[in-house]
Amino acid sequence: QQQVKQSPQSLIVQKGGIPIINCAYENTAFDYFPWYQQFPGKGPALLIAIRPDVSEKKEGRFTISFNKSAKQFSLHIMDSQPGDSATYFCALHSNSGYALNFGKGTSLLVTP
Amino acid sequence: GAGVSQTPSNKVTEKGKYVELRCDPISGHTALYWYRQSLGQGPEFLIYFQGTGAADDSGLPNDRFFAVRPEGSVSTLKIQRTERGDSAVYLCASASGQGTDTQYFGPGTRLTVL
Repeated sequence: QQQVKQSPQSLIVQKGGIPIINCAYENTAFDYFPWYQQFPGKGPALLIAIRPDVSEKKEGRFTISFNKSAKQFSLHIMDSQPGDSATYFCALHSNSGYALNFGKGTSLLVTP
Repeated sequence: GAGVSQTPSNKVTEKGKYVELRCDPISGHTALYWYRQSLGQGPEFLIYFQGTGAADDSGLPNDRFFAVRPEGSVSTLKIQRTERGDSAVYLCASASGQGTDTQYFGPGTRLTVL
């Protein structure tokens, strides 16, 4: 069962725009919040991840913002490019478990 | 190999048949996960191995599903008496350790049950 709610389901932005994808969760027993990127026919690949002791993490054009009190975290893609067109998944890792719990995904299209 | 590999890439079978899906993890990775991804959904956890043993099989949907990892490297996911609802992409991931170590995913096996 899905423990994380991801939105929007799909997103279209122009090149150079800043798409934002949001995820919300209810249980507080999570210790790791990764974002995965998946291209058609490929497996998901880790993009960036954050732990709950920080509020923001930036790697290149990708930024995670984390709001622990609101139980929300989001992915921002700066200066988006057509090559960023893919499906993005947020995920949660429970501090008492092993597997990742994924959101339903956001299909991003960046137009030229 | 450089990454996780899975074979076959595609498998078409008839309802009621038995199938085996293979995963070759990154060399040296002790943790291995199986996930299932239905169309338009995120991956859903099936089973986790640490070494040769299944440390968590709570995601297996029923007793038709079984997985092994006899030597702590290659793993095989086995599905008996396949049903049309089993159609999905089966993903394998490996990690160097457990917990929050990065999981590296293979390209998946697309299973179609007719």
